[in-house]
Amino acid sequence: QKEVEQDPGPLSVPEGAIVSLNCTYSNSAFQYFMWYRQYSRKGPELLMYTYSSGNKEDGRFTAQVDKSSKYISLFIRDSQPSDSATYLCARSTGNQFYFGTGTSLTVIP
Amino acid sequence: GAVVSQHPSRVICKSGTSVKIECRSLDFQATTMFWYRQFPKKSLMLMATSNEGSKATYEQGVEKDKFLINHASLTLSTLTVTSAHPEDSSFYICSASTGAEKLFFGSGTQLSVL
Repeated sequence: QKEVEQDPGPLSVPEGAIVSLNCTYSNSAFQYFMWYRQYSRKGPELLMYTYSSGNKEDGRFTAQVDKSSKYISLFIRDSQPSDSATYLCARSTGNQFYFGTGTSLTVIP
Repeated sequence: GAVVSQHPSRVICKSGTSVKIECRSLDFQATTMFWYRQFPKKSLMLMATSNEGSKATYEQGVEKDKFLINHASLTLSTLTVTSAHPEDSSFYICSASTGAEKLFFGSGTQLSVL
């Protein structure tokens, strides 16, 4: 069983749309959750980092964690063509990191 | 966020030669560094985990004699691909942990073996 499950997409939305990206995880230990953005042929960039249930907001990005259902989400408001990338969810515990397979997002102008 | 520098960004080499890739944490001391391999449109594949001053721990199926990892200091780790062959061509990415469960990535190295 994979540590983190993520729908690979691809996902295509018009500019200005709200994007919802989702992952599920299986481990119940205390852990941290992260979202990364990866452009083609670049290393992943840390977007959001949280450890508690609830929402964490940073500009147009909101990370949501629901520990009761083991569900993590990333919402992107007012999506822009520059948001077109692959988004990776991740969790960590004991300095071990587990990544989803990534969701490819295209925002169409 | 913390900065991880990876060099070179792109390297082309002849089959049978060795290639060294450097990964540096510029503004923090990395307790642990990780090396990943990524094929086009595929997810990250963890190759090995290294802690400063200790031998790297390799994932199953990764040849430790082919992919030599040295973590000489808290800010530098190197990956050497020895006797490279065309099947070693790939995108290699390093990452460094701050120890606070945060992981930062380098910009990646595209290796092409002719």
